[in-house]
Amino acid sequence: EIVMTQSPATLSVSPGERATLSCRASQSVSSNLAWYQQKPGQAPRLLIYGASTRATGIPARFSGSGSGTEFTLTISSLQSEDFAVYYCQQYNNWPPGAFGQGTKLEIK
Amino acid sequence: EVQLVESGGGLVQPGGSLRLSCAASGFTVSSNYMSWVRQAPGKGLEWVSAIYTTGSTYYADSVKGRFTISRDNSKNALYLQMNSLRPEDTAVYYCARVGYTSGWFRDWGQGTLVTVSS
Repeated sequence: EIVMTQSPATLSVSPGERATLSCRASQSVSSNLAWYQQKPGQAPRLLIYGASTRATGIPARFSGSGSGTEFTLTISSLQSEDFAVYYCQQYNNWPPGAFGQGTKLEIK
Repeated sequence: EVQLVESGGGLVQPGGSLRLSCAASGFTVSSNYMSWVRQAPGKGLEWVSAIYTTGSTYYADSVKGRFTISRDNSKNALYLQMNSLRPEDTAVYYCARVGYTSGWFRDWGQGTLVTVSS
């Protein structure tokens, strides 16, 4: 079983600043990693797949990097609409794959 | 425009059954891998089940033997039959379209809440 660990659990950042979210896999998942954004009361939205490919319609301020066991989601200049919970998901062994527990990005 | 609309959630007693539906538009369900993902209140995301274009089906260990995923090509719809429900099955259930055949989820429905309680 591959376990995904996200850090930090909560990240406080001011609008306009950069946010860096981390995701670590307990074993290599190659580049088979996706990132999702979820706002309260809404469904998750795909941001990134293949560790670094932005999904359709996702702004360029969102970028993903990493491979193997260490991954990063960077939001270059936070907008008010970016404050949400972010999940990583490995799909290297999907199904079942595995989600991280989430990072809550809050306004500082 | 791709749309996924779930229905069928509600309150059910432990041991009971429920059938969730997901109506799709903007694409053909049978030509895509489809999945159900759930989220317990205040918790993270958990993959539940998937159906491939071939008709092959897959389940999380937590629901294997109790849940059945299926589709109706004529209605362009996805279903999840849930039997022997337990309180720990309480969650919002999302229908999702899988990206290519990879395992990431490109499109999501709005979700339907299932509450298992006496």
